[in-house]
Amino acid sequence: RKEVEQDPGPFNVPEGATVAFNCTYSNSASQSFFWYRQDCRKEPKLLMSVYSSGNEDGRFTAQLNRASQYISLLIRDSKLSDSATYLCVVTIQGAQKLVFGQGTRLTINP
Amino acid sequence: GAGVSQSPSNKVTEKGKDVELRCDPISGHTALYWYRQSLGQGLEFLIYFQGNSAPDKSGLPSDRFSAERTGGSVSTLTIQRTQQEDSAVYLCASGGALDTQYFGPGTRLTVL
Repeated sequence: RKEVEQDPGPFNVPEGATVAFNCTYSNSASQSFFWYRQDCRKEPKLLMSVYSSGNEDGRFTAQLNRASQYISLLIRDSKLSDSATYLCVVTIQGAQKLVFGQGTRLTINP
Repeated sequence: GAGVSQSPSNKVTEKGKDVELRCDPISGHTALYWYRQSLGQGLEFLIYFQGNSAPDKSGLPSDRFSAERTGGSVSTLTIQRTQQEDSAVYLCASGGALDTQYFGPGTRLTVL
């Protein structure tokens, strides 16, 4: 079983729609949680950290459920420029590395 | 300011040859990481350097892979006797804390 699992998609949604991604992690020692964004043939870039209390950054909302070992990302009023692969990322306590899910591919259609 | 740079951007090599991939981290960053991303796969951790501490090599897939970091700055990832399954994008990241890892553009390695 992969340490971080995501629905690979692809998700195809119309511009302006709301879209949600889910991610589960298997290691209960997971310590920090992030969403990264990766455009085609580009490097990953940090989108936002995810906190237990939930956090919002403009149109993006991230949630963490430690009991269920589940992370989510919600994108409201989606834009064409949101088209990318979204990577769910965790760190494991005591390990200095990022553990990546395989990513969820999102395409926003005009 | 300058970000993480990697060279070459693309490398095509023949099976069995050795290759060296270079990473120039952001100036002042003490942590340096190597990952690789195979087609359709997530990023896979390879190795981590932090200051003068011994590197965490736990992600290196075989003894054909090695990495050095000279003077706490530039890093070189070496793959000996390359195999076709080594074909991937090799990404370097630097940072001071885990949530501030900045990735370079990667080196796309193709082994024929």
